[in-house]
Amino acid sequence: NAGVTQTPKFQVLKTGQSMTLQCAQDMNHEYMSWYRQDPGMGLRLIHYSVGAGITDQGEVPNGYNVSRSTTEDFPLRLLSAAPSQTSVYFCASSYSAGAPNSPLHFGNGTRLTVT
Amino acid sequence: AQSVAQPEDQVNVAEGNPLTVKCTYSVSGNPYLFWYVQYPNRGLQFLLKYITGDNLVKGSYGFEAEFNKSQTSFHLKKPSALVSDSALYFCAVRVDTGRRALTFGSGTRLQVQP
Repeated sequence: NAGVTQTPKFQVLKTGQSMTLQCAQDMNHEYMSWYRQDPGMGLRLIHYSVGAGITDQGEVPNGYNVSRSTTEDFPLRLLSAAPSQTSVYFCASSYSAGAPNSPLHFGNGTRLTVT
Repeated sequence: AQSVAQPEDQVNVAEGNPLTVKCTYSVSGNPYLFWYVQYPNRGLQFLLKYITGDNLVKGSYGFEAEFNKSQTSFHLKKPSALVSDSALYFCAVRVDTGRRALTFGSGTRLQVQP
């Protein structure tokens, strides 16, 4: 049982390049989400999904796309990278989208630098 | 809208002393409150969550949290700090309506000195 797996661990991009951050969970969790962590700002929600085929925007969705074709996978796409997207990205999942007291399980993060 | 405030960027405490990491929240509706811990270069780990009706909630690694509805606070506590407790701590809140997204505070770095 690997939990939430994120790849890659580190990535350097040039401005304007695109890439996909991968996230997979093997816990059959309904709810999956992407956060970015910036110093002094805590974690901010980018996009989330309450089940396969259903996604919605979070607090800071601009410049990012997501899809959820399977329960297990929730990739995050950067369409045209900008230096402001330099951050640490975390994928997190929880068992039930309908249970507000269900805690999130986090991956170990992807550290992205855009030059 | 929901929000969480962690008023201290850093808390310093000597090993063996009690520790408190503060958190206040603002929500419209019933709050679901959580504490997470983050060690260097790792994701966040769940510590504990508020359970309706329990003003003192016990969690992992000897941590507990005190819920105060009138002060809208959910402070993290531990009776006796360990050096290994040094980490970044996040408070988070969710409501049971609408988007149900988890909103995080800005984090408090706990430094336990030997």
